[in-house]
Parts: sequence; C-alpha cells; structure tokens
Amino acid sequence: GAGVSQSPSNKVTEKGKDVELRCDPISGHTALYWYRQSLGQGLEFLIYFQGNSAPDKSGLPSDRFSAERTGGSVSTLTIQRTQQEDSAVYLCASSFRQGDGYTFGSGTRLTVV
Amino acid sequence: QKEVEQNSGPLSVPEGAIASLNCTYSDRGSQSFFWYRQYSGKSPELIMFIYSNGDKEDGRFTAQLNKASQYVSLLIRDSQPSDSATYLCAVSGSNDYKLSFGAGTTVTVRA
Repeated sequence: GAGVSQSPSNKVTEKGKDVELRCDPISGHTALYWYRQSLGQGLEFLIYFQGNSAPDKSGLPSDRFSAERTGGSVSTLTIQRTQQEDSAVYLCASSFRQGDGYTFGSGTRLTVV
Repeated sequence: QKEVEQNSGPLSVPEGAIASLNCTYSDRGSQSFFWYRQYSGKSPELIMFIYSNGDKEDGRFTAQLNKASQYVSLLIRDSQPSDSATYLCAVSGSNDYKLSFGAGTTVTVRA
C-alpha cells in the first residue's frame, strides 16, 4: 500500500478483555516495528520484526503482550487481559531495511475502561 | 542516563526566526540519526536524516551531526506557524535496527 495502515483507529475495551491491533506495512518493507506512546510521553519500543521473525521482543511490557507477522507483511499485536495502564496510542512503523528511517502508521488509540 | 536526550521545551519563537533544537545520545556506536515532526494528535513524520558528520540542508531545515560530541541538532530557518509541532530526535543504536527516541521538544511559532 501507499502508507502504513493500522486498524482500528480507536478501540475502547473493558478491563480484562483481549484486544488485537493490526498493522499493514508499506509493500516491500521488510522491517516492522511496534511502539507505544502514552499521553505526553515519548515513544516506547515494543517489538521489531525482520520478515516474519522477531529478533527483538525486549520492549514487550509483560507476557500479556504478544505479536506476530505473517507472509512478511501484516502484523497483529495482541494484548490479553487488558489493564488500564495499557491505555496508549500504539504505533506501527515499517522500513525498507534496518537502519532506514521509519514510516509510521496513524496509530491505534486504545482506551481501557 | 537516557539513551537520547533533547533540550526541554517548550520553545517559542516568532515567525521568521530560527528555531534551534538539540539532541544528545549515549551510544557512541550509533550510525543513523533522524528528526521526526509530530503534530498534536498525529503520528510522527520523518523530516530529516543524517549519517555523516557535518551539516545537511533540506529546504528550511538543517541537520547538524557531531559524532565526537555525540550531538545532533535541527535548525528551522524562517519559522512558520505551520512548523508548530513536537520534534523528536531518533538515533539508531550500534545494532542499527532499533531507533531510540527522545522525549521531544515542542515548538510554537508565534505569528
């Protein structure tokens, strides 16, 4: 696609529910990243994919968070048993290769009530 | 010490002036340096990248890199109200795949 596409753009969920966030990167971009940004805070790295592999998952906050990427393209970030502290904007980014600047998607704003 | 630190804002400049944004980083092996602009409620947008020591100019923007001092800066010349945004400095580590971001400097250009 022309840009990085994320869905949904907004998600309100009840505490304890599971949520899935989707990212469709720019076609041909092999590197895919998930970050999150809490209100007024900086960007927090979550996970990096090169192709379908995730060489760096070091930023996932807990085992409630998981992510996968299939076909070297679409990625889903799953948060199980959501907590209020999970409320943030989840940003996906992709790049043609590692070391290049990222192109960010428009983000998913997650609100846990 | 944070990996990437930016000068604290907010920074208010009059229209037509130069806005100067600074960033320091801790990983001496860092290879790639980026500046992103983030408008309120929007996602970050890449505006400049620099890999080598010295200056790089693109329109009204100039990025400056000094690897010996572990310092990168962004100058915005002839600032316009449309430049009002938060500017994020991002640095790749020596592993060269993950960008670490500074907390950002918010710039307001007064008409």
